[in-house]
Amino acid sequence: KAGVTQTPRYLIKTRGQQVTLSCSPISGHRSVSWYQQTPGQGLQFLFEYFSETQRNKGNFPGRFSGRQFSNSRSEMNVSTLELGDSALYLCATRDSSSYEQYFGPGTRLTVT
Amino acid sequence: AQKVTQAQTEISVVEKEDVTLDCVYETRDTTYYLFWYKQPPSGELVFLIRRNSFDEQNEISGRYSWNFQKSTSSFNFTITASQVVDSAVYFCAAPDFNKFYFGSGTKLNVKP
Repeated sequence: KAGVTQTPRYLIKTRGQQVTLSCSPISGHRSVSWYQQTPGQGLQFLFEYFSETQRNKGNFPGRFSGRQFSNSRSEMNVSTLELGDSALYLCATRDSSSYEQYFGPGTRLTVT
Repeated sequence: AQKVTQAQTEISVVEKEDVTLDCVYETRDTTYYLFWYKQPPSGELVFLIRRNSFDEQNEISGRYSWNFQKSTSSFNFTITASQVVDSAVYFCAAPDFNKFYFGSGTKLNVKP
């Protein structure tokens, strides 16, 4: 099976702009979670989608949003970018029968 | 919510040395899972092992072994005869429903 794919891999944006990141799960995986990784805060959970519904949300401002499509692909959107949003954004997917999450390579976002 | 602590921020060893990475967790759940992930410089988190709270047997996979002790709330990871390719950041994690809580990670440097 193909692994989790994330696009784009690298992104440079300026403050105030918005950005959309994409995640395609492993075939058959319906759960998609997003994480933000920064040197200061480590790995933090953003949200999780299952069958097009957000099931869980972490402690992030409303500028961070996401959605999931019927084919389980997910997008994450960040509006009004701030310098502190610079991070590696990781997507993880799993099937409903297992807790094991499989991670994508991440999107490295730099906000200038 | 789960809490995962990795007190070792960074460890440096010389190739062929054994090294143990510590993980301590806190949970109010009677049934829970624990995970270890490896993050090489490329950024992608690689799943290493899942352990459930019912199984206290140690697990060995090649040069890797895991010691799970409920009495001390620890789930330690040992690499035997370390190699340069083991250099990475290692994360211990515990899920709480569909959220994963990660420790802060231990950076392992294996020098030739």
